[in-house]
Amino acid sequence: QSALAQPAAVSGSPGQSVTISCTGTSSDVGSYNLVSWYQKHPGKAPKVMIYEGSKRPSGVSNRFSGSKSGNTASLTISGLQAEDEADYYCCSYAGSSNFVFGGGTKLTVL
Amino acid sequence: EVQLVESGGGLVKPGGSLRLSCAASEFTLSSYSMNWVRQAPGKGLEWVSSISGSSSDIYYADSVKGRFTISRDSAKNSLYLQMNSLRAEDTAVYYCANYGYYFDYWGQGTLVTVSS
Repeated sequence: QSALAQPAAVSGSPGQSVTISCTGTSSDVGSYNLVSWYQKHPGKAPKVMIYEGSKRPSGVSNRFSGSKSGNTASLTISGLQAEDEADYYCCSYAGSSNFVFGGGTKLTVL
Repeated sequence: EVQLVESGGGLVKPGGSLRLSCAASEFTLSSYSMNWVRQAPGKGLEWVSSISGSSSDIYYADSVKGRFTISRDSAKNSLYLQMNSLRAEDTAVYYCANYGYYFDYWGQGTLVTVSS
């Protein structure tokens, strides 16, 4: 199972919006509405930001939104804030209780 | 407050073995699918293994199949990962996490270093 493809890095200024893409295949992202997104700060455990493609867990800011089209999922962060600077990972269910993560995207808030 | 605490990591030589543990508090492990996810230094997250709530369904990533064994002890409310025939590429921080449509609760991770 190959990792989902994410851009290595994205950046934006405070207040701007950024979008991180996550490209898989018809065997994972394209087949299931079970894409989740995680925020990870160095030395910390990952935190879910989006699940089932576009749903936000309780407590996650509505500045985070998710979508999916075909084999590609996207995470959009609007109104960028300094604390959003982190690594972001997508994850998709890939069948038979297997999961595949993306390679991660480093978000820099300029 | 839900807590998952991993332990058992350390330095081991190639070909060696380690057993990781994940102890839960304020959380009943047997109610959830439990997973191990790892992150190698400077790399992304990688799903390693999962075990269903009933322990009847167990799955492994191809990279660890035949070498790692996941298990749980309901009485101790703990999850385990027995790692045999360790390789340098198994060096990573290992996290336990539950899954119910997404990986929800995570431990703080335990570092496994495979080096001679």
